[in-house]
Amino acid sequence: AQSVAQPEDQVNVAEGNPLTVKCTYSVSGNPYLFWYVQYPNRGLQFLLKYITGDNLVKGSYGFEAEFNKSQTSFHLKKPSALVSDSALYFCAVRASSGGYQKVTFGIGTKLQVIP
Amino acid sequence: GAGVSQSPSNKVTEKGKDVELRCDPISGHTALYWYRQSLGQGLEFLIYFQGNSAPDKSGLPSDRFSAERTGGSVSTLTIQRTQQEDSAVYLCASSVFPQGARGETQYFGPGTRLLVL
Repeated sequence: AQSVAQPEDQVNVAEGNPLTVKCTYSVSGNPYLFWYVQYPNRGLQFLLKYITGDNLVKGSYGFEAEFNKSQTSFHLKKPSALVSDSALYFCAVRASSGGYQKVTFGIGTKLQVIP
Repeated sequence: GAGVSQSPSNKVTEKGKDVELRCDPISGHTALYWYRQSLGQGLEFLIYFQGNSAPDKSGLPSDRFSAERTGGSVSTLTIQRTQQEDSAVYLCASSVFPQGARGETQYFGPGTRLLVL
C-alpha cells in the first residue's frame, strides 16, 4: 500500500527566511508526487508535481520541490517566505504504473509565516 | 472555464437524517474523486469514478455512505442515517485521466461543510 508522511503538523518561519515542508512517501515502483496548498477558507489548489526527469521541480508562487529517490522524499521549499504563504500544505503520491492508481494524500502541514 | 462546483456549501442536519451532496466536475474531466477532510485528519479518500469503469469504493467508511455518477458527469454522495462523526468538509475533485506519463492534476471544488447535530 502506498503512503505519505508529513512529519510536522506545523512549521513556523520568519518572513524572508527560507522554508521547507517535509514529505516522505512509500509506493511500489516509481512515484508521481504532488504538492497541493489550501489557503484559509479556500479550496485546495495544485502547486507542483514530479512526474519524471529533473529531480528539482518548480511550481507556482516561487515554490519548488526536490525528488530524492534514495531518501524517498519530496520536500517543498521556497527561498524566501511571504506572510501570504501561510496555509495548509498537502503532499500526495501515486504509483506511475499499473493503470489507474488512486492518489494518497498526507495529513497536511500548517505553514505559519511570521511577519 | 468553470471549475469544480459543489452544493450545498454548508449543510446542517440532525443525527439520523440522510443527506445528499452534489459535485459538478469540470466539463470533459473523466475522473472524479470524493474526499473527506476532518480537523486534524487530513484528506481521507472516499471514492473514485473513472469513465464507465467500476468505481473504487475502497475508502467509504461504512455502508451508510454511497455515491453515484450519472452520465459520466455530475456525482452525488449520499450519507444515510448521519452520525455526529460524519461532520466534516466533503471535497470533490476532478481530473483528466489518463494522462500517461504526465500524471494527473486534480482540481478541487470548494467543498461542502457538513455539521451533524
